[in-house]
Amino acid sequence: DIVMTQTPLSLSVTPGQPASISCKSNQSLLHSDGKSYLYWYLQKPGQPPHLLLYEVSSRFSGVPDKFSGSGSGTDFTLKISRVEAEDAGVYYCMQSIQLPLTFGGGTKVEI
Amino acid sequence: QLVQSGAEVKKPGSSVKVSCKASGGTFSTYVISWVRQAPGQGLEWMGGIIPPFGRANYAQRFQDTVTITADDSTSTAYLELTSLRSEDTAVYYCARSLSTNGWYDVVIWGQGTLVTVSS
Repeated sequence: DIVMTQTPLSLSVTPGQPASISCKSNQSLLHSDGKSYLYWYLQKPGQPPHLLLYEVSSRFSGVPDKFSGSGSGTDFTLKISRVEAEDAGVYYCMQSIQLPLTFGGGTKVEI
Repeated sequence: QLVQSGAEVKKPGSSVKVSCKASGGTFSTYVISWVRQAPGQGLEWMGGIIPPFGRANYAQRFQDTVTITADDSTSTAYLELTSLRSEDTAVYYCARSLSTNGWYDVVIWGQGTLVTVSS
């Protein structure tokens, strides 16, 4: 199984400041079609996760452009340009290049 | 929208079947996956199915105790857990893939079903 490792485990951010989360995989997520199958989710307390980004950097419907993703191969980053109170929760990365789908352990963001 | 069945309380050794219905539409050839989240823990993919085709794929650790099925005519997917143990206490989510090309990922999530295993 592909192992996904997120850092840091937790992050405390002042409103209006940027934030960054790292996700590393132990195998390349680059497919022969040229896409890297890395996703980012935010889970707020008591809610299911919701998708922020897919294929590294494509924002899902309704996701504001303050969320951006970058990276390739095995190293990926989620950036929030200006954190707001509504961005608090646990962020997860996930790979889908190989079954089973695997998630990172999560990064708790406190505002 | 994916609408899941309600919370369940089960005894150790028993079974439970959780449902996930696509409201307002059909499953088409989206992949429907099941993801587990134990209390205070992270997310774990259990397996998935493309309803019209009926064949499920499972994470190895769940192969012996989990069965994923789907009824395409009612747009409902099912997760059956057998030989329940206290460690199976978790919220179980169904989730739909991004596209209908058979690629496994999880994009649209159900609201979750809490299964509590307790004697």
